[in-house]
Order: sequence, then C-alpha cells, then structure tokens
Amino acid sequence: GQQLNQSPQSMFIQEGEDVSMNCTSSSIFNTWLWYKQEPGEGPVLLIALYKAGELTSNGRLTAQFGITRKDSFLNISASIPSDVGIYFCAYIFGNEKLTFGTGTRLTIIP
Amino acid sequence: KAGVTQTPRYLIKTRGQQVTLSCSPISGHRSVSWYQQTPGQGLQFLFEYFSETQRNKGNFPGRFSGRQFSNSRSEMNVSTLELGDSALYLCASSFQGKDTEAFFGQGTRLTVV
Repeated sequence: GQQLNQSPQSMFIQEGEDVSMNCTSSSIFNTWLWYKQEPGEGPVLLIALYKAGELTSNGRLTAQFGITRKDSFLNISASIPSDVGIYFCAYIFGNEKLTFGTGTRLTIIP
Repeated sequence: KAGVTQTPRYLIKTRGQQVTLSCSPISGHRSVSWYQQTPGQGLQFLFEYFSETQRNKGNFPGRFSGRQFSNSRSEMNVSTLELGDSALYLCASSFQGKDTEAFFGQGTRLTVV
C-alpha cells in the first residue's frame, strides 16, 4: 500500500489549546479515516470521510478531506487531558482493509 | 455487548519458539482481521478471516499464519520467532469485513527475547 505521512510526529500542548495535525499521500484516495489509540488499547475510529472537500465534526474534533484527495486534516478544539493518545489517519485499500499513517502522538502538559 | 477480547494480553517468548494468539470477536461478527503494530513499521495488516476462510493477506512471511473457527474466534500463529516479531498484535472484528465498521481489541503485547 501507499505510505501515509503524518505531521507532526508528536505534539506537546497545554490543556485548552487547539490542535491541528495532517496526513498526506502521493496517491489519491476515496476514503480518509481518523483513529485514536489510547495507551493499552486498540485504535478507535473517530471520523470517516468519503468525499473530497468534506468537513465532518465529532464533538470537539473536526476533520477534512482535502480537495486534492491526497491529504486530510484533523483539528481538536479546546484540548482536555483525555485527548492524550496517538492519532492515526488511514485509508481503505483493496478489500476494505486499512493502511495506517505513521501517527501523531499528543501529550497534554498540565 | 462484550467487545473484542484478545488473549493473552502479554507474552514473552524466546527466539526460535512459536506462539499462538487468540481473538474472540464481538458476538455476531464474522470477520476477524489481524494487524501488527511496531514502533518502526507502525500498524500493518496481516490477514483477514471471514467465515473460517482467509480472505485477504498482507505482506508478511509464511511464518505468520492464522485460522478461524466456526464460532468466529480466530487464532494467529507465528513460528520460528525472531526478535523483530516483538510487537503489539491487534485484531479487529466486523460483521461483513468492512474495517471502517470494525472494532479493535486491546491487543497482545509479544516480546521476543
């Protein structure tokens, strides 16, 4: 599968700050997904995007499917301690299987 | 309802040994996919079983194998363990095999020494 590059690799922010991260690829995709993995747990799907330009929210999380179909963005507003974890973008390849990005590790400084 | 259950949670094995990991999917789910997570390679798809048949396979050597039972429970086996097999092994279950609708287990942390 194609490689997905996420940036930044890690973020250290203070509680209450907004967070932005993105995911890019050299290929065009029809689906972008964002997952969160907390320590000791498996990934949990946060948001799924199916159309170029689509903007979707899930509480304080907002994700966008880039119009070039080669990138996606995830924003978290007013971060709280439970936002800590690793955020992965992913796309669907072949028979509905997932290819994950490299991940962005979010740490919240008290 | 109960989530995806993986056993054991932690495992330490020696190089050259083999290991079997177990995954019990959510009741009613027929598909089980396995993923390997390492710091260097990230999350990578291993294989998928659907109704007791391997339906998809990732790019892993033949030392990695799996099976699924009639109750949808799945096992994966790694033979002749190498240090690089140390990883978190995750399984995900879904009703029809669409991973956008899948739920992941907590994983089995395998350490090869």
